[in-house]
Amino acid sequence: EVQLVESGGGLVQPGRSMKLSCAASGFTFNNYDMAWVCQAPKKGLEWVATISYDGSSTYYRDSVKGRFTISRDNAKSTLYLQMDSLRSEDTATYYCARQETTWGWYFDFWGPGTMVTVSS
Amino acid sequence: NIVLTQSPASLAVILGQKATISCTASESVNKFGINLMHWYQQKPGQLPKILIYNEFSRAPGIPARFSGDEAELNFTLTIEPVEADDVATYYCQQGLTFPLTFGSGTKLEIK
Repeated sequence: EVQLVESGGGLVQPGRSMKLSCAASGFTFNNYDMAWVCQAPKKGLEWVATISYDGSSTYYRDSVKGRFTISRDNAKSTLYLQMDSLRSEDTATYYCARQETTWGWYFDFWGPGTMVTVSS
Repeated sequence: NIVLTQSPASLAVILGQKATISCTASESVNKFGINLMHWYQQKPGQLPKILIYNEFSRAPGIPARFSGDEAELNFTLTIEPVEADDVATYYCQQGLTFPLTFGSGTKLEIK
């Protein structure tokens, strides 16, 4: 059974940093691209970043470029999101998602999410 | 960026009737004859779940009540017959190019 479990969320002050983790199990982690998708309170879904199966390629939405870094440790089957220079508008639930890439990019499994609140 | 415009923002449907949700893309999401448009269901307080991928393919375990269609740049998710368990917000998402984008969501309620 595919399982994705995020951790590392919480309350953080504007301008500070936070690192999210996502522990994966139930599938061959290093065969899949992975992604972070966020959802602000009462709002819709927004793709944040994607990393290729081997970590060689990364992609980001414009609003987080230069501030967020997606990475992975295939030996530990773990995905990360380093979030620097956090802003109030980064407040959201962050979902770790497995990204299917066989034909078209979509998210076939999601974690339960971890809430990040950026506030002073 | 490919913009996805969903409508309506919300709809109320009688149990057993049909629900139709639309998603219009600002440009083609077609690659080699396949429209890379996907649909998700997010029930209240839950994480999103893939329903339909690549325009009309149902994800494993998704009942035939859910179907996807396309006409030009207009994509449609149809639920027929609607059941009480279908109360949720539905999102479209294009999988052709980065940045990957979602529609704004359609909230389905039972009338």
